[in-house]
Amino acid sequence: GAVVSQHPSRVICKSGTSVKIECRSLDFQATTMFWYRQFPKQSLMLMATSNEGSKATYEQGVEKDKFLINHASLTLSTLTVTSAHPEDSSFYICSVDRGGETQYFGPGTRLLVL
Amino acid sequence: AQSVTQPDIHITVSEGASLELRCNYSYGATPYLFWYVQSPGQGLQLLLKYFSGDTLVQGIKGFEAEFKRSQSSFNLRKPSVHWSDAAEYFCAVGARGNKLVFGAGTILRVKS
Repeated sequence: GAVVSQHPSRVICKSGTSVKIECRSLDFQATTMFWYRQFPKQSLMLMATSNEGSKATYEQGVEKDKFLINHASLTLSTLTVTSAHPEDSSFYICSVDRGGETQYFGPGTRLLVL
Repeated sequence: AQSVTQPDIHITVSEGASLELRCNYSYGATPYLFWYVQSPGQGLQLLLKYFSGDTLVQGIKGFEAEFKRSQSSFNLRKPSVHWSDAAEYFCAVGARGNKLVFGAGTILRVKS
């Protein structure tokens, strides 16, 4: 498999502030990572594909200016939720694409916007 | 378009009983299929995957799944459930660009 970490595990912020979430591939150099969002009692929805050294590819309906993704190295991708609002409260999970076949997931980050 | 259907939102089984979680998919080509498990507040753990070859695949924790092309199904099974198996289970199909499309999930409850 692959070992994936996320930081922080949970964060509470005020409405209007920005929050950065880190996703690290600890044992594998990942050219591709994915960011998902999971609302309570719902399935995972892909937000964007993070590509090392290039711009992320966003899914339809996901605002790229609100959810900034940076994949500056082969082991780190960051998701920044800008000007967060209560409706952005969710569980954000990243995954590492290993070998173009299987994704391995991080433990997730719980975001609560007050 | 790719889609995954998990017909059962909740399933309750007794500890020691057998388990089958259903998954049906829609995909235009030969699919890559996955089962993941998620404990509350946690990320997803890969249980097993099917790419090609033997249609019965073995995974971790005693789980297995069978790919049936004629039924577009990839049901997950376990012969004897343990209390620690209580979690939410997601079936997923691998789509273009290595994206995953997930089903809605099935919550498994285990009663003693």
